[in-house]
Amino acid sequence: AQKVTQAQTEISVVEKEDVTLDCVYETRDTTYYLFWYKQPPSGELVFLIRRNSFDEQNEISGRYSWNFQKSTSSFNFTITASQVVDSAVYFCALSEWNQFYFGTGTSLTVIP
Amino acid sequence: EAQVTQNPRYLITVTGKKLTVTCSQNMNHEYMSWYRQDPGLGLRQIYYSMNVEVTDKGDVPEGYKVSRKEKRNFPLILESPSPNQTSLYFCASSHRGGNQPQHFGDGTRLSIL
Repeated sequence: AQKVTQAQTEISVVEKEDVTLDCVYETRDTTYYLFWYKQPPSGELVFLIRRNSFDEQNEISGRYSWNFQKSTSSFNFTITASQVVDSAVYFCALSEWNQFYFGTGTSLTVIP
Repeated sequence: EAQVTQNPRYLITVTGKKLTVTCSQNMNHEYMSWYRQDPGLGLRQIYYSMNVEVTDKGDVPEGYKVSRKEKRNFPLILESPSPNQTSLYFCASSHRGGNQPQHFGDGTRLSIL
């Protein structure tokens, strides 16, 4: 079974629209870590955020915000006022006992 | 400059011919890891290492070997490559264990004919 599910394979939005990328994870551990990474068309993987299982505070960083809800095992990522430079594949990942599990990624296209 | 360096970046080879992809980091990181990225499957962890001489299997270790003789290096070895190992491979490193953000290399595209 998939430990990290990103059900949205591809999303297209028009510039300045808000967009939310969904991430649902599965774990039986009480201690775990969640991450988001960005992979732009150039191919490198860029770290965006890390959350531990004991910290359910939502986080905002500029136009980016993350909503962590243990009750629904979700760690969703919202981009406000999207820009063309946000076009990329975004991966959600779970770390438990030092092993990593990535979702299949969501490809976001921002249309100018 | 802090970096994870993989070599080669691209390789086309044939079934059964042993190959090694090197990975080196200059950040004195304890944790290193290998992933493969395939369309529709995301990234899958092959092996990881918590420190020198300590390696563990990830989700898809079959057909791969690794070693960690020095802290900075973590080579990925394909003893007898097969076409289903054609993929994009990433090496990554981080301080301590799997609870830290990883720095990724630029990737190695392997084609096994």
